[in-house]
Amino acid sequence: IAGITQAPTSQILAAGRRMTLRCTQDMRHNAMYWYRQDLGLGLRLIHYSNTAGTTGKGEVPDGYSVSRANTDDFPLTLASAVPSQTSVYFCASSEEGTSRYNEQFFGPGTRLTVL
Amino acid sequence: LAKTTQPISMDSYEGQEVNITCSHNNIATNDYITWYQQFPSQGPRFIIQGYKTKVTNEVASLFIPADRKSSTLSLPRVSLSDTAVYYCLVGDSRLFTGGFKTIFGAGTRLFVKA
Repeated sequence: IAGITQAPTSQILAAGRRMTLRCTQDMRHNAMYWYRQDLGLGLRLIHYSNTAGTTGKGEVPDGYSVSRANTDDFPLTLASAVPSQTSVYFCASSEEGTSRYNEQFFGPGTRLTVL
Repeated sequence: LAKTTQPISMDSYEGQEVNITCSHNNIATNDYITWYQQFPSQGPRFIIQGYKTKVTNEVASLFIPADRKSSTLSLPRVSLSDTAVYYCLVGDSRLFTGGFKTIFGAGTRLFVKA
């Protein structure tokens, strides 16, 4: 593994179903993030984690949950998917904060369609 | 968190220099200015970051005036492969204080023509 991987690449899901998007990084970054990207709206932060064992809410957290059991993995779960969650989901990671704004490294994305 | 404003889209031709300006009137003392590039069907990629004056790397230059209320990303001699969305971010370096939020906004869509 090099960098960040996401799975699945794409998924079509029936409304009401539960879905977990997987994200794994091998850079030993402390911070990880989940974004969604909708057409014309840029990226919006869903949840983030500053370090293993801690998580926080971003701009649009409703309907999503995350966990950070270890440094490498940061899964995003949709407990009961709705059509408005149709989007492209990006996972990202960055080094522990120092005195500078940290560069974020992004995964290839997961394209999710909820019908 | 400082809000940024940048043009929705820009057109250019191969070989030209492209300058994309971002306004961030409410930039705070601890904020850095960072630019990302995103190609279709890919995640954003870091291009350049600066705090003040001028920063240059192998990809681009970033010009920041003394008041830091704006910044300009300069791409020298663009090619067709530079067609992408460019995001300007103004970020708080205090990563672990009160939660850290990143706002990308809609970005600037650059179209490079032959």
